Amino acid sequence: QVQLVQSGAEVKKPGASVKVSCKASGYTFTDYYLHWARQAPGQGLEWMGWFSPNNGATYYAQNFQGRVTMTRDTSITTAYMEVSGLRSGDTAVYYCARGGSMAGARVGHDYWGQGTLVTVSS
Amino acid sequence: DIQMTQSPSSLSASVGDRVTITCRASQGISNYLAWYQQIPGKVPKLLIYGASTLQSGVPSRFSGSGSGTDFTLTITSLQPEDVATYYCQKYYSSPWTFGQGTKVEVK
Repeated sequence: QVQLVQSGAEVKKPGASVKVSCKASGYTFTDYYLHWARQAPGQGLEWMGWFSPNNGATYYAQNFQGRVTMTRDTSITTAYMEVSGLRSGDTAVYYCARGGSMAGARVGHDYWGQGTLVTVSS
Repeated sequence: DIQMTQSPSSLSASVGDRVTITCRASQGISNYLAWYQQIPGKVPKLLIYGASTLQSGVPSRFSGSGSGTDFTLTITSLQPEDVATYYCQKYYSSPWTFGQGTKVEVK
């Protein structure tokens, strides 16, 4: 069965960076895009961008350009999302979610990680 | 970028009621529209994709319709377990923007 398992909660100081991991299993890692989204406390979902495990291509939403980096290690079928220059407004649950296939099929996000709470506090 | 606007932002209905949530795109997105359910404290769950295709395992009381710019999620008979926030999302092109969400409560 498809699973996306994320790393544990983090507490960071303003200005620091955080790197969240998302380990994929149950499907061919390089066959599907991986997306990242976040949800601040009591707020809605905010889409951050997508990443291609196949060739490393990325697309970052405008709000995150220059501060977010998405990478992967295909040998361990794990994707990473790093946010730099953290501020209090980055306190949120960060989710990875599977996106469309490399073959072109798109159905939205059919599988999600469990979420990783990142708290930014001095 | 294409904006997604949901209405209402919240609603309260009785068990058994028919509930309708709308989502409007600022430009046409064909049928590249998904709906998600997020129960409080839980991970979002895909309900509908392609504007009207029910994801496997989702109860048939959920349905979606629309194309272009105007879309609807309908719950034909609201159940207590449907208390959640519902989000639309467009995936016609990047960015895959979410709507702001509709909170559904039971009276």
